[in-house]
Amino acid sequence: AQSVTQPDIHITVSEGASLELRCNYSYGATPYLFWYVQSPGQGLQLLLKYFSGDTLVQGIKGFEAEFKRSQSSFNLRKPSVHWSDAAEYFCAVAPLYGNKLVFGAGTILRVKS
Amino acid sequence: SQTIHQWPATLVQPVGSPLSLECTVEGTSNPNLYWYRQAAGRGLQLLFYSVGIGQISSEVPQNLSASRPQDRQFILSSKKLLLSDSGFYLCAWSVIGRAYEQYFGPGTRLTVT
Repeated sequence: AQSVTQPDIHITVSEGASLELRCNYSYGATPYLFWYVQSPGQGLQLLLKYFSGDTLVQGIKGFEAEFKRSQSSFNLRKPSVHWSDAAEYFCAVAPLYGNKLVFGAGTILRVKS
Repeated sequence: SQTIHQWPATLVQPVGSPLSLECTVEGTSNPNLYWYRQAAGRGLQLLFYSVGIGQISSEVPQNLSASRPQDRQFILSSKKLLLSDSGFYLCAWSVIGRAYEQYFGPGTRLTVT
């Protein structure tokens, strides 16, 4: 069965520092890959997606993610974090011909000034 | 552009009372529709999805049910709420054939007392 692992439940970074959130997936073939962000009490917003092609994908709000097939990973990065980036981040995978997304448990990002 | 609405935004209900949460989508036709539940620290759990009017697939056995009386309306119901039904309920939609790319509503916070 497909699964998504986000090994870090909480991460705290200083404002202006770089950020990397980890995501590993388990699936027989390369699935579609996504990162969502959720501000407190809000719905989820799609940050970026990977379907195929260039393994480095750019998203909104200055985020990027890199797909590494050999490591079954899709880590999210941002070179300089802003206080407004404090939120919960979810990695998700979808099979090529399925009807649903499988989400990781999420990583809560705290930004200290 | 497409928008998705959920109401109510918050709800406090006693154990054993009925539940009805509503989700509507504007600006698209014949979408896939999804209900998720997000319990604290437990990520997102897919509850139901629908590919058309009257077509509901259940992912997790529970005392909840879903209905799709109109193309862009998705309702989550319960006849008798349990304490364990507390959580944040999210509705999402996707284009038919692109079920992997989902867009989420603002959510409903349900507290069962």
